[in-house]
Amino acid sequence: NAGVTQTPKFQVLKTGQSMTLQCAQDMNHNSMYWYRQDPGMGLRLIYYSASEGTTDKGEVPNGYNVSRLNKREFSLRLESAAPSQTSVYFCASSNTGMGEAFFGQGTRLTVV
Amino acid sequence: QQPVQSPQAVILREGEDAVINCSSSKALYSVHWYRQKHGEAPVFLMILLKGGEQKGHEKISASFNEKKQQSSLYLTASQLSYSGTYFCGTEIPGTYKYIFGTGTRLKVLA
Repeated sequence: NAGVTQTPKFQVLKTGQSMTLQCAQDMNHNSMYWYRQDPGMGLRLIYYSASEGTTDKGEVPNGYNVSRLNKREFSLRLESAAPSQTSVYFCASSNTGMGEAFFGQGTRLTVV
Repeated sequence: QQPVQSPQAVILREGEDAVINCSSSKALYSVHWYRQKHGEAPVFLMILLKGGEQKGHEKISASFNEKKQQSSLYLTASQLSYSGTYFCGTEIPGTYKYIFGTGTRLKVLA
């Protein structure tokens, strides 16, 4: 009963480096999301995907790209990391329309 | 666009009650409530649907006023385990975009 699995759990990057955060869900959910949470702050939507093959920008998309590889997987890519992208990143999934969001355990990313 | 929660923070003694409010500038069809413990991911608590139906927790209840675009979470006889940050969440109708409120930090003291 894995639910939503995110990798890695921790990552330190140097400014300018790139990386991809992976997310997979096994609940057959249509919708998947990437959020960032800064210390003491709420959850801000970066990108979301309502179905396989579709992605849309959220509130804070600049500096990120996403791929909905299939129904299970939704990845987030930082092409050129900046210190302002230091944050905790959460992947989530839900049944579109009424379903609550289920979260991965989070990725703590530090950009130095 | 982010729903606004109030209060931003609240401190309680064990056994006291609290109310957390969530107000949206957009129409709401359903509202979910979550609790996040420090260093962990948010965990679903309950869902509020149009018409007032709610599903969730024993000692935590909630209300949903569609006309006022507001939801309130009621925590009664608080326990130490209630400490954490509470978020309301909702899907913006017609967009598939799921967003969260600004959050309310709640601390219960012994």
